[in-house]
Amino acid sequence: DAGVIQSPRHEVTEMGQEVTLRCKPISGHNSLFWYRQTMMRGLELLIYFNNNVPIDDSGMPEDRFSAKMPNASFSTLKIQPSEPRDSAVYFCASRRGRTYEQYFGPGTRLTVT
Amino acid sequence: GDSVTQMEGPVTLSEEAFLTINCTYTATGYPSLFWYVQYPGEGLQLLLKATKADDKGSNKGFEATYRKETTSFHLEKGSVQVSDSAVYFCALSDLQGAQKLVFGQGTRLTINP
Repeated sequence: DAGVIQSPRHEVTEMGQEVTLRCKPISGHNSLFWYRQTMMRGLELLIYFNNNVPIDDSGMPEDRFSAKMPNASFSTLKIQPSEPRDSAVYFCASRRGRTYEQYFGPGTRLTVT
Repeated sequence: GDSVTQMEGPVTLSEEAFLTINCTYTATGYPSLFWYVQYPGEGLQLLLKATKADDKGSNKGFEATYRKETTSFHLEKGSVQVSDSAVYFCALSDLQGAQKLVFGQGTRLTINP
């Protein structure tokens, strides 16, 4: 069974450009989480969805960040415009129901120059 | 709010040494507790969990006991291997809503042969 799939694995872009990160959760999982990992701040929850509906986006840093989940098998995290301080590894995770285990994808390493 | 504090790394040990990584938490009520492991270039994987006081989670030779009286969940392994080199995250799940995970800052472990 395929795990959580993220693309791209690496993204290098210039400041001011739009960046779109993609995630395909595990089939049958109905909760999806976006995290950001940096050396300074560790692992931060940005937003999570339950049954494709955004439940809590309090971790989204600012209006430049937006996330969507148009269906149960796909989600995007968009940054527009990107800034160097957005450089981080972005993880997507999914979970079935209210069980506690979240399954993480391999992450997207974003570098904004 | 809920929080998790881990011992600072990095931790460097020789193969077959005894490992302890300390983790304490602050939470309202009695959350579930977890240890996740992140190998280089990969996402986080659940290592073990405990859902109530005095429970012991175990996996791959690692153990951790949920201690309510000391609000701790220390990770231990009797004899580490080079393959255990990774970053270890302690986490708790809040008890509200969709039960989000709150992570500690992570502890980098390096095992030398």
